[in-house]
Amino acid sequence: QKEVEQNSGPLSVPEGAIASLNCTYSDRGSQSFFWYRQYSGKSPELIMFIYSNGDKEDGRFTAQLNKASQYVSLLIRDSQPSDSATYLCAVIQEYGNKLVFGAGTILRVKS
Amino acid sequence: KAGVTQTPRYLIKTRGQQVTLSCSPISGHRSVSWYQQTPGQGLQFLFEYFSETQRNKGNFPGRFSGRQFSNSRSEMNVSTLELGDSALYLCASSLGRHPLNTEAFFGQGTRLTVV
Repeated sequence: QKEVEQNSGPLSVPEGAIASLNCTYSDRGSQSFFWYRQYSGKSPELIMFIYSNGDKEDGRFTAQLNKASQYVSLLIRDSQPSDSATYLCAVIQEYGNKLVFGAGTILRVKS
Repeated sequence: KAGVTQTPRYLIKTRGQQVTLSCSPISGHRSVSWYQQTPGQGLQFLFEYFSETQRNKGNFPGRFSGRQFSNSRSEMNVSTLELGDSALYLCASSLGRHPLNTEAFFGQGTRLTVV
């Protein structure tokens, strides 16, 4: 079992729709959870982080965390073509000082 | 506020050579982590330094090494390069004092090609 799992996609949504990206993790003691966006040929850019159960909203982005289900998601409202990128889920595990990344989900927003 | 700076941006080396990559973190950040990104393996953790001490290490051979200086700048070295070392090497910096305070920001990366 991979430590952090994401559906590779591509996930295709029409412009203006809600894009829902999901991530599960195996280490029950994981403490902090991050979403990065990576455009082709660029480095990852931090867009959200969450460490408490529930929702965290920042503009068009909402991160949702459910530690009991070991599940974290990212919702992108009013999706734009510029949101087309690979979205990486990352987790800080209970022990250690490293980010463990999922393989990423490719998002395509069609205009 | 300047971001994370990695140098050089691009490198071409031949098999058997060694290479040194540099990373200057965001001012005030004391934790520097290194990652290797390849199409097949994704982002894989190499090692993390905090206040000149290596706190964690990934599953890479001993050919991969690193260090951190008193000003928090970090270098990583790869010796006896292999074709499979061709990758994007990313450095991330964070405050790193506490697990919950570990937002990590990436540099632009160094694209290493081994021929």
